[in-house]
Amino acid sequence: DAGVTQSPTHLIKTRGQHVTLRCSPISGHKSVSWYQQVLGQGPQFIFQYYEKEERGRGNFPDRFSARQFPNYSSELNVNALLLGDSALYLCASSPGQGLETQYFGPGTRLLVL
Amino acid sequence: QKEVEQNSGPLSVPEGAIASLNCTYSDRGSQSFFWYRQYSGKSPELIMFIYSNGDKEDGRFTAQLNKASQYVSLLIRDSQPSDSATYLCAVNGLSGGYNKLIFGAGTRLAVHP
Repeated sequence: DAGVTQSPTHLIKTRGQHVTLRCSPISGHKSVSWYQQVLGQGPQFIFQYYEKEERGRGNFPDRFSARQFPNYSSELNVNALLLGDSALYLCASSPGQGLETQYFGPGTRLLVL
Repeated sequence: QKEVEQNSGPLSVPEGAIASLNCTYSDRGSQSFFWYRQYSGKSPELIMFIYSNGDKEDGRFTAQLNKASQYVSLLIRDSQPSDSATYLCAVNGLSGGYNKLIFGAGTRLAVHP
């Protein structure tokens, strides 16, 4: 079975631009969570979506938004990019709303210049 | 005060020894606690989770939780060089049905032959 997939794998943007990151969960998983991981730090929780509704939110500005589609895939959107948004963006899926069996994708590495 | 604190390490142990990794958290309302392992350049992978005070064992791994002291630990018995990685502690402050998973910065473990 395929694991969590994310696209693109790498991305370079300039300040002020907008970016969309995509995630496809493991088949049968209905929850997707997004994390930002800066080098040398642990992942920071951005959002969780379950059954297409937001079920968790971290301390990120409104420039960050996400949505989940009927097929349970998800998009993370970041507007007005800042240099500090450069990071590895991780998506994780789980069967239900709980985070006990959460599987991470390989991540999208975003560089903002 | 950081919400989830871990010693950054590196923690160096000889092969076959017990590695002890510690984590403290600030939110007394936290309900579930997770240990993840992250190899360099890879995504985190779940080792185990714990809800109740006491010990939980899974193979060579034992998680220990003390809610009164707001302390979580992970013991790795018979440490192997392949256990060399960064170990991330995460705490979920589920509130009103909303998840908010907070990761520590991680402890680097080095197991030497």
